[in-house]
Amino acid sequence: SQQGEEDPQALSIQEGENATMNCSYKTSINNLQWYRQNSGRGLVHLILIRSNEREKHSGRLRVTLDTSKKSSSLLITASRAADTASYFCATDARTGGGADGLTFGKGTHLIIQP
Amino acid sequence: EADIYQTPRYLVIGTGKKITLECSQTMGHDKMYWYQQDPGMELHLIHYSYGVNSTEKGDLSSESTVSRIRTEHFPLTLESARPSHTSQYLCASSESKEIVGRDTQYFGPGTRLTVL
Repeated sequence: SQQGEEDPQALSIQEGENATMNCSYKTSINNLQWYRQNSGRGLVHLILIRSNEREKHSGRLRVTLDTSKKSSSLLITASRAADTASYFCATDARTGGGADGLTFGKGTHLIIQP
Repeated sequence: EADIYQTPRYLVIGTGKKITLECSQTMGHDKMYWYQQDPGMELHLIHYSYGVNSTEKGDLSSESTVSRIRTEHFPLTLESARPSHTSQYLCASSESKEIVGRDTQYFGPGTRLTVL
């Protein structure tokens, strides 16, 4: 089963509104990252939050982490059409084996209507 | 923009052909990764490397192979392509900055492979 699962799977909002995406995970982590992927492109790192941090800001992005609930949220304020993309959370915990690398969820597909 | 490059961006090829997907980074990162992603789905780690002459298999079993002869170069090869290999292949690299946990990864633009 997925380590990170984003919710909702898809979200469509009007430009200027705030967008909130959630991520849940199953095992303990050292850090959690959020990435953005434009259609057919590679991923771009947005923000990393460590397990001892509860909230982090970067421009219009706000990320929270609740390790007791094993969940994180990504808030994009004052959304723009250019924010249309898929957003993935990624954790460092492995569900099995010793492989390095990140474990990604299926992503939230965000559409900003102009 | 990250300094990591993948070629080709798109490849349509017939069954049974040997293909190599190229990945290069100019950031001097030791760690490199290959992920496989089907449309609208999550990424799955198929290979990674800690540095020169290091190659490891990831979580998802793959018939592809990789090599790491130079720090900046991490090519992926399929000896005999099949339609089941149709997917997007994403290369990434990272530097070792985090004391614990995973580092930020920098991704290439991906190669979209279609095997007919």
